[in-house]
Amino acid sequence: GESVGLHLPTLSVQEGDNSIINCAYSNSASDYFIWYKQESGKGPQFIIDIRSNMDKRQGQRVTVLLNKTVKHLSLQIAATQPGDSAVYFCAEKVRGGSQGNLIFGKGTKLSVKP
Amino acid sequence: NAGVMQNPRHLVRRRGQEARLRCSPMKGHSHVYWYRQLPEEGLKFMVYLQKENIIDESGMPKERFSAEFPKEGPSILRIQQVVRGDSAAYFCASSPRTDEQYFGPGTRLTVT
Repeated sequence: GESVGLHLPTLSVQEGDNSIINCAYSNSASDYFIWYKQESGKGPQFIIDIRSNMDKRQGQRVTVLLNKTVKHLSLQIAATQPGDSAVYFCAEKVRGGSQGNLIFGKGTKLSVKP
Repeated sequence: NAGVMQNPRHLVRRRGQEARLRCSPMKGHSHVYWYRQLPEEGLKFMVYLQKENIIDESGMPKERFSAEFPKEGPSILRIQQVVRGDSAAYFCASSPRTDEQYFGPGTRLTVT
C-alpha cells in the first residue's frame, strides 16, 4: 500500500484563518518531502520542500514541519486566501529507493470560505 | 522561462487505437518523469528518463506502454491498443537533478 497518507481528506477554513494540512508517512528511509498544490484541471504546483535533516522550513505564507519521530509532515498556510483553495498533496522520496520516484499521498482538499 | 509543456491537453481515443503524449521539459532540465492520476487520487509514478536513457520504469505496465526521451525533441509516452482503464490524466515533470520536480499541465486521456 501507499506509504504516504493524509489524516483529513477535506478541510474547510474561513478566509484569513491559518490552515494546517497533515500527512503521515510510514517509511523511515524517506529523506526528502515535497508539498504540491493542485487546482482543478491543472498540474501539481511545487509549494515547498524539506529534507530529513531539517525540522522546519518556511516560505512565503507557508511553513512545512517535519517530525521524524512520529513520521509526520504538516503544511501550514498563514492567512488563508480564496486562491489557496485546491487539493494539496504531500510526496516523499525514499533514500536509496527507485530513482526519482516520488510517492504521493491521496490529497487533502482545502476549501476557503470568504 | 517557460514551464513544462505537455500536448495535447486533451486526447480522445477509441479502444484499440494508439495514444501519444508529448512532454517538453523546462529549459536546462535533463530529467523527465511521467505520472498517472486517476480521479480523486494522488499521482502514481510510471517512468523516469534522462536524454536517450530510461533510468527507472518500475511503474510502467509491462505491456502496451513505452516511453522515450530522444536526444532531440520532446519525451513521448506511448500507449498502444488503449483500453478504457487507460483513461486518466498523465502528467510529466522535469528536474535539473533528481529531487525537485516541476509538473506540466497534464494530458487528459479519454478512451471511448
